[in-house]
Amino acid sequence: GENVEQHPSTLSVQEGDSAVIKCTYSDSASNYFPWYKQELGKGPQLIIDIRSNVGEKKDQRIAVTLNKTAKHFSLHITETQPEDSAVYFCATGGTSYGKLTFGQGTILTVHP
Amino acid sequence: DAGVIQSPRHEVTEMGQEVTLRCKPISGHNSLFWYRQTMMRGLELLIYFNNNVPIDDSGMPEDRFSAKMPNASFSTLKIQPSEPRDSAVYFCASSFSGSSTSYNEQFFGPGTRLTVL
Repeated sequence: GENVEQHPSTLSVQEGDSAVIKCTYSDSASNYFPWYKQELGKGPQLIIDIRSNVGEKKDQRIAVTLNKTAKHFSLHITETQPEDSAVYFCATGGTSYGKLTFGQGTILTVHP
Repeated sequence: DAGVIQSPRHEVTEMGQEVTLRCKPISGHNSLFWYRQTMMRGLELLIYFNNNVPIDDSGMPEDRFSAKMPNASFSTLKIQPSEPRDSAVYFCASSFSGSSTSYNEQFFGPGTRLTVL
């Protein structure tokens, strides 16, 4: 089955800096790559996603890049703010009725 | 839209008791997913349904766990008997999937925090 590795497990940055989280996956059939943000006491929420026919997607301060040949994708957050502090999960899907395989999560802390 | 609804939000029970967690997916969604989240194991997919039919239950940890989806608007996850190691946050999520290879955003519920003493 699919295996998704996510790094780093924790990331601490100063407000205004950039943050990068990386994921690798094993199943070459995966063609959907979403990123979820989970705030304390809540369920994960989609923040951005990319499909396999696109190499990069940007939404304001958030961007995702995909390298299908190397089987890795990354989340980039620029001009970080304290409210960006949360747990971020990458995931892969597109092979079975919307099923997603999640990475282990990254705890992002943005210091004011 | 009310989003995915889960009940109860918190459950405290004693070892050996039966626990039933409930989920109402978003109207119009036809795929439903049950996850378990712990610090040690992260976010684990337990079972998922499409059009009320279980597709894959390989993530269910033991026979003590069972899940049903009697109709498009309701699903249950049951643990019988419960054990302390079942303590976790259980999430239900739903999405619309038009075919086995189609995909759309999964919407998560607020979760049920289960504590087994």
